[in-house]
Amino acid sequence: AQSVSQHNHHVILSEAASLELGCNYSYGGTVNLFWYVQYPGQHLQLLLKYFSGDPLVKGIKGFEAEFIKSKFSFNLRKPSVQWSDTAEYFCAVKTSGTYKYIFGTGTRLKVLA
Amino acid sequence: DAGITQSPRHKVTETGTPVTLRCHQTENHRYMYWYRQDPGHGLRLIHYSYGVKDTDKGEVSDGYSVSRSKTEDFLLTLESATSSQTSVYFCAIRSGQRTDTQYFGPGTRLTVL
Repeated sequence: AQSVSQHNHHVILSEAASLELGCNYSYGGTVNLFWYVQYPGQHLQLLLKYFSGDPLVKGIKGFEAEFIKSKFSFNLRKPSVQWSDTAEYFCAVKTSGTYKYIFGTGTRLKVLA
Repeated sequence: DAGITQSPRHKVTETGTPVTLRCHQTENHRYMYWYRQDPGHGLRLIHYSYGVKDTDKGEVSDGYSVSRSKTEDFLLTLESATSSQTSVYFCAIRSGQRTDTQYFGPGTRLTVL
């Protein structure tokens, strides 16, 4: 069965530090990839997505992610985090030909002011 | 915001009682989903629907049933609630073949005593 792994469960950073959150998936075919963010007490919101083309995608709030097909990875990055980035981040994968989205277990990010 | 509402937003119930959660959308999307969110597990798919009266099971469907008699409404029923079903439940829609992205409702926090 397909799966999505997020290696970092909890991350603590100081403001202005750089962020990279890992995401790996287990599927050899065509995939659509997503990162969602969930602020405390809120629902999931789409940060960015990759379907095809340039493997470096830019999303909202200064986030970007890079798709590396050979590594089955889709890591999320931000050059300089802010206190307001404190949230939980979820990676998700949808394989071609299906309508199911598989989510990782999430990474809780805490940014210290 | 994809025009998704969930009701109730909070519910406390007792073990053994039936519970129905409602998801309502205003944009005529074909695909609708129910997830539960639990610490350490991320989002897990319970059931999804690909049209009126067309539904399929997800990875954690035991103890849950769904119905979709109208495009705009997707109901999740816990036939006999158990404490293990205490969770936050999110409804989502798929935005369409071209954009192929999920958008989430605000969630329902269910506590089973």
